[in-house]
Amino acid sequence: QSGLTQPPSASGSPGQSVTISCTGTNSDIGAYNHVSWYQQHPYKAPKLILFEVNERPSGVPDRFSGSKSGNTASLTVSGLQAEDEADYYCSSHAGTKNVIFGGGTKLTVL
Amino acid sequence: EVQLVESGGGLVQPGGSLRLSCSVSGFTFSRHYMTWVRQAPGKGLEWVAKTWPDGSGKSYADSVQGRFTISRDNAKNSLYLQMSNVRVEDTAMYYCAKEEWYRYDYWGQGTLVSVSS
Repeated sequence: QSGLTQPPSASGSPGQSVTISCTGTNSDIGAYNHVSWYQQHPYKAPKLILFEVNERPSGVPDRFSGSKSGNTASLTVSGLQAEDEADYYCSSHAGTKNVIFGGGTKLTVL
Repeated sequence: EVQLVESGGGLVQPGGSLRLSCSVSGFTFSRHYMTWVRQAPGKGLEWVAKTWPDGSGKSYADSVQGRFTISRDNAKNSLYLQMSNVRVEDTAMYYCAKEEWYRYDYWGQGTLVSVSS
C-alpha cells in the first residue's frame, strides 16, 4: 500500500534546526492542505503537533513549523531540545483513501 | 479533559474474531468523526476505519474492507471495531482517535491485537 515518503532518520545537536521532508503526489499533498504532523515518543500514542500544513494545536511550542511546496511537505524543528527526540509522522488527506501516513522519521538529538 | 480509553485487545488465532472498544469522555462525542488507526510492531501508522458523527457513514482502508466493521453508540460515548477473519498482518496496536478535518487531535493509549496460531 503506497504511502507518503519520509527519510527514515534525521539528527541535529541541541539548539540547531532540523527539517524533515514528506513527499506525496498530486492526489494527496499536492491536492489538499490537510497535511498534519505527529510526534510519537517510545511506547506512547502519537501526538498532533501541526495541522493544515502550518497550524499548531494549543500547547505546541512555536519551535515546530511546517510548510508545503507542490507535492512535498516539511516539518522544521528549531532550537532542538532533548525532548524532541522521537518519531515523526506526516499525514495527508488523500481523497477516497481518506488519510495516508508517511513511514516515519526517527529524530535523534545528538 | 479529553480521554479515550481502548480495550478488548488480545491474542486471537488467524481467521478468528475480536471486538475492540473505545470509551470517550471530555467532548461531545456525537458531534465528531471518529477513527481507528493501527501501528504494526516497529512500523508506521495506518488509517483503518472512520465513522460519521451520527454513524450513518463509514469508510474503510482497502486492507480491512469486508472484514472489519466500525460502529458507535453515541448514548454510551463509545466507539467499536469488530474484527473478523483476522490475519497475521492485522497484528498491531490499535488506537481510537477523534478526527477533525482529516487530522487526529486526540488519541487513546492503544490496545494491542496479536494474531497468531
